[in-house]
Amino acid sequence: AQSVTQLGSHVSVSEGALVLLRCNYSSSVPPYLFWYVQYPNQGLQLLLKYTTGATLVKGINGFEAEFKKSETSFHLTKPSAHMSDAAEYFCAVSSYGGATNKLIFGTGTLLAVQP
Amino acid sequence: EPEVTQTPSHQVTQMGQEVILRCVPISNHLYFYWYRQILGQKVEFLVSFYNNEISEKSEIFDDQFSVERPDGSNFTLKIRSTKLEDSAMYFCASSLSGGGSDTQYFGPGTRLTVL
Repeated sequence: AQSVTQLGSHVSVSEGALVLLRCNYSSSVPPYLFWYVQYPNQGLQLLLKYTTGATLVKGINGFEAEFKKSETSFHLTKPSAHMSDAAEYFCAVSSYGGATNKLIFGTGTLLAVQP
Repeated sequence: EPEVTQTPSHQVTQMGQEVILRCVPISNHLYFYWYRQILGQKVEFLVSFYNNEISEKSEIFDDQFSVERPDGSNFTLKIRSTKLEDSAMYFCASSLSGGGSDTQYFGPGTRLTVL
């Protein structure tokens, strides 16, 4: 079975500072990993995903994530935070191999960006 | 850019009443999903749907829930007799294929409040 753990339910950074949101996964099969962002009163928007190949994945809005199999991690980073990055971020792993694919989400990390 | 739409954005109902949440998936997608997010909790998979039948459902998706694709565009979630604990944000998603690496595109959600 697959699962995801997000460390830190709340992260606060200053504008211009590095953003680091942590995600560790557990999977009995090669994982497909996703980061979604949820802005207030909006749905989930895909930031980036890892399937196979290059372990450093670049997404929208300057975010990137690195798949590290040895650490079972898929942390999300952005070199310089912007006020507009304030949102909730969800890491997810795809549970596949059965009848269909479903996403298993972490508990989310609420990112606050201070001026 | 194509997007998943959901109506209504907010539904208030009395306990024991039936509700139908509506979704219009992206037009060429073949796989459809419902997820829910209880306030302050993680996003949880409810059900997946392909080729006019349920592919997989979670333990949450009991006999009170049903899904339907009544025409070529809509995808609905019905809760037959709502309970207080059904209060949540319900997200519809769709994907082109059911593969583990395929992106699921989410709608903006319907906030269901059961009084």
